[in-house]
Amino acid sequence: QVQLQESGPGLVKPSETLSLTCTVSGGSVTSHYWSWIRQPPGKGLEWIGYVYFTGHTDYNPSLRGRVTISVDTSKNQLSLGVTSVTAADTAVYFCAKHEGQGLGPHFDLWGQGSLVTVYS
Amino acid sequence: SYVLTQPPSLSVAPGKTARLTCGGDNIGRQTIYWYQHKAGQAPVLVIYYDTERPSGIPERFSGSNSVNTATLTISRVEAGDEADYYCQVWDRTSDPQWVFGGGTKLTVL
Repeated sequence: QVQLQESGPGLVKPSETLSLTCTVSGGSVTSHYWSWIRQPPGKGLEWIGYVYFTGHTDYNPSLRGRVTISVDTSKNQLSLGVTSVTAADTAVYFCAKHEGQGLGPHFDLWGQGSLVTVYS
Repeated sequence: SYVLTQPPSLSVAPGKTARLTCGGDNIGRQTIYWYQHKAGQAPVLVIYYDTERPSGIPERFSGSNSVNTATLTISRVEAGDEADYYCQVWDRTSDPQWVFGGGTKLTVL
């Protein structure tokens, strides 16, 4: 079955760029829509944005302008970049699969998450 | 943007019933999804389309959605049910379209 695994640096300095990768195994990254979701310490979940392998994306307005999500079909991966990070970007970052073949309304598979800490 | 409100915590004794609520403006007109999240693990979908259970989710988990409140009910609560539970909607008229509640920490006494 499809599995997701996030990876990337656990520490990022303020004003720098956060970069994470989500590797899709057991399935193709071209078969579904994918989202990134984050959870700051002690807080709830926040949807960051979605991507389709065609390059179609949309982002949360709270992060629009600082976030980029893309797909690398050759590596079967999706990636997340957040520029000009601050302490408020400290969170566990999850990649998740949208249900079905289209832009499904919910997420039926998640990765375990990757903790990113912004420190000075 | 659409806002979902969940109580931050709920404590229930083993074998009892836990009712986790999710509030929002005219929430009965929304379709609700529920996720279980245990620390260090991937969140798991436990209810979709208000009342449907994915395969592998015990029948003890059920969902409902009325005019003012959506509810996730866990019957015969077990120690393994201790987790954070999040409700979620997809509102195409909202920006962002995917919105989560703040989550409820379920503690099994």
